[in-house]
Amino acid sequence: DIVMTQSPDSLAVSLGERATINCKSSQSVLYSSNNKNYLAWYQQKPGQPPKLLIYWASTRESGVPDRFSGSGSGTDFTLTISSLQAEDVAVYYCQQYYSTPRLTFGPGTKVDIK
Amino acid sequence: EVQLVESGGVVVQPGGSLRLSCAASGFTFDDYAMHWVRQAPGKGLEWVSLISWDGGSTYYADSVKGRFTISRDNSKNSLYLQMNSLRAEDTALYYCAKDKSSGWFNWYFDLWGRGTLVTVSS
Repeated sequence: DIVMTQSPDSLAVSLGERATINCKSSQSVLYSSNNKNYLAWYQQKPGQPPKLLIYWASTRESGVPDRFSGSGSGTDFTLTISSLQAEDVAVYYCQQYYSTPRLTFGPGTKVDIK
Repeated sequence: EVQLVESGGVVVQPGGSLRLSCAASGFTFDDYAMHWVRQAPGKGLEWVSLISWDGGSTYYADSVKGRFTISRDNSKNSLYLQMNSLRAEDTALYYCAKDKSSGWFNWYFDLWGRGTLVTVSS
């Protein structure tokens, strides 16, 4: 299975400041035939189900604020919150869908307000 | 309203069986593949199973293969998960989740229910 790791485990950022979360896969999730990275990001607020933020590593889901952006390719990916808002306190997960049906998620990164 | 509502989670003894249900509304259910994803208390997410829009194809995580069976009834807009030979490590909140695109397996999820809690304990 492709192992997903995330760093840091948690971070605290001041309101309005940038938050950066890293995700690394144990093997490339870039499919050469279509040049797409099979990587998604989810946000899970306390007591709520996950919410899809980003897919294909950088495509923002409809309705997701543009302060959320995804980048990276191959094995290294980043989710950036450009200006942290109070409502962004959550755990963020990356997920690879390159190796199906062996889908795997990262362990999560908790984002809090400093 | 577009939503998924799970039910059926209870406390069950090890070795027992359970059937979870997920009622879908607000979208054309039989156009989409559907998944079950679980989350152990205080832990991360684990994909469990997928079923195609017509029920003709199913896939399972190795951890549940041979014990769990996914099915659907498109006439009732409902998804199911039959869980047999339950183990303590199956204890989790089970989410029903919709695949992103119709008529295709995207293998990521754009709509989630709130989950139903399964506890396996004697």
